[in-house]
Amino acid sequence: QKEVEQNSGPLSVPEGAIASLNCTYSDRVSQSFFWYRQYSGKSPELIMSIYSNGDKEDGRFTAQLNKASQYVSLLIRDSQPSDSATYLCAVGEWYTGNQFYFGTGTSLTVIP
Amino acid sequence: NAGVTQTPKFQVLKTGQSMTLQCAQDMNHNSMYWYRQDPGMGLRLIYYSASEGTTDKGEVPNGYNVSRLNKREFSLRLESAAPSQTSVYFCASSEGGISGNTIYFGEGSWLTVV
Repeated sequence: QKEVEQNSGPLSVPEGAIASLNCTYSDRVSQSFFWYRQYSGKSPELIMSIYSNGDKEDGRFTAQLNKASQYVSLLIRDSQPSDSATYLCAVGEWYTGNQFYFGTGTSLTVIP
Repeated sequence: NAGVTQTPKFQVLKTGQSMTLQCAQDMNHNSMYWYRQDPGMGLRLIYYSASEGTTDKGEVPNGYNVSRLNKREFSLRLESAAPSQTSVYFCASSEGGISGNTIYFGEGSWLTVV
C-alpha cells in the first residue's frame, strides 16, 4: 500500500505569517504531486501541482518538491483567515492506471 | 462548465436498502474514481475506471459495485447498505496519462445509513 504522510496538525499561524505544510510519500517512482484545499463540508479543490524537483510559485503559494528525499511541501505566504482549511497532499502515478494517493490532511487555522 | 456532477447530494438509507450514486463529468476525461472520506481516515479509493470499459478495485471495495456506463458516467451502487457505509462519497475524474493527470472532484454525496 502506497503511503502519503502528513502531520495532521492542527497548525495555527497568525494572520500575515507563513504557513508551512509538509508531506512525505513512500513510492520513489511517483510522478506527480498535488496540494488540495478542503473547506469543511466541501470537496477538495486543487491549489498546486508540481512534477519536477525544485520550487513552483503561484501567488501566495509555493510548492517544493524533493524527489530524492521523497518530500513535498507547501508554503503559504501572508496567510489569511480564508486560508483556514484542511490541506491534502496527493501523489499521482499514471503508469499504475492513473491512480492517486492522498494523505489524511493537515488542518490549518489562521488567527486574525 | 459543470465539471464533475454527482447526485444525490444527501441521502438517508435504512440498513439493507440499496441505492446508486450517479456521477458524470463533462471534461472528456478518461479516468474516473469513487472515494469515500471519513473523519481521520482521509480519502480512500473505492473503485476506479482508468478508461472507458475498465473498472478496478481500490482500497475499500467491499460492499460496493460500479458501472462505467460510458466515457462521461461512472456510478457507484450499494447493494445492501450497512451503517459502516455512512460517509461522504466523492466522485472524481482525470484526463489520464503523464501530462494530464490532475484529479478533479465533484461536490460530494453525504450518505447516512441508519
